[in-house]
Amino acid sequence: NAGVTQTPKFRVLKTGQSMTLLCAQDMNHEYMYWYRQDPGMGLRLIHYSVGEGTTAKGEVPDGYNVSRLKKQNFLLGLESAAPSQTSVYFCASSYSRTGTGGKETQYFGPGTRLLVL
Amino acid sequence: GENVEQHPSTLSVQEGDSAVIKCTYSDSASNYFPWYKQELGKRPQLIIDIRSNVGEKKDQRIAVTLNKTAKHFSLHITETQPEDSAVYFCAASRASGTYKYIFGTGTRLKVLA
Repeated sequence: NAGVTQTPKFRVLKTGQSMTLLCAQDMNHEYMYWYRQDPGMGLRLIHYSVGEGTTAKGEVPDGYNVSRLKKQNFLLGLESAAPSQTSVYFCASSYSRTGTGGKETQYFGPGTRLLVL
Repeated sequence: GENVEQHPSTLSVQEGDSAVIKCTYSDSASNYFPWYKQELGKRPQLIIDIRSNVGEKKDQRIAVTLNKTAKHFSLHITETQPEDSAVYFCAASRASGTYKYIFGTGTRLKVLA
């Protein structure tokens, strides 16, 4: 199993450009999350999804949109990138109805480093 | 809003000494508390967790304690080794519904050889 994967690993954007970050998981998890990580600020939740076709806002949703059309994928979109969105983005997933282990544990992807100039 | 405070932000210890990282949470309904270790350039990985019906949990050199009344929980690492050097994050969650985490701001642990 690959676990949680993220595409791309690194990207440079100019202010105003758009892009989509892809998160995929093969653990049959119901819940998926997008975080951003900035120095000294820990991990902050951007958006999350509790199932296919559902999304909800987290702590810092402004400037981002998400979609979960398939259970295994969670997409994070930046419609008009700003320098303040320079960050490392992590996706996580949790809660398999059929798997073993705790429902609560979140498993993280390797991250996407985004630089907005 | 809900928050988790984590201290200290940096911690240096000599190899073989113990390290303690402390977190305080504000949401009294939180009942699940994971700890993640993040090495430089890598993803956060779960190292230990505790649920609110337990006061202490151990896994080899790592232990976590929880004081629900004071809304404190702590990570204890004994006999530290250079490979323990990393950033450690605590989090608090209501283990139901959305299972959202509120993370602390992290502690950079340096183990000096």
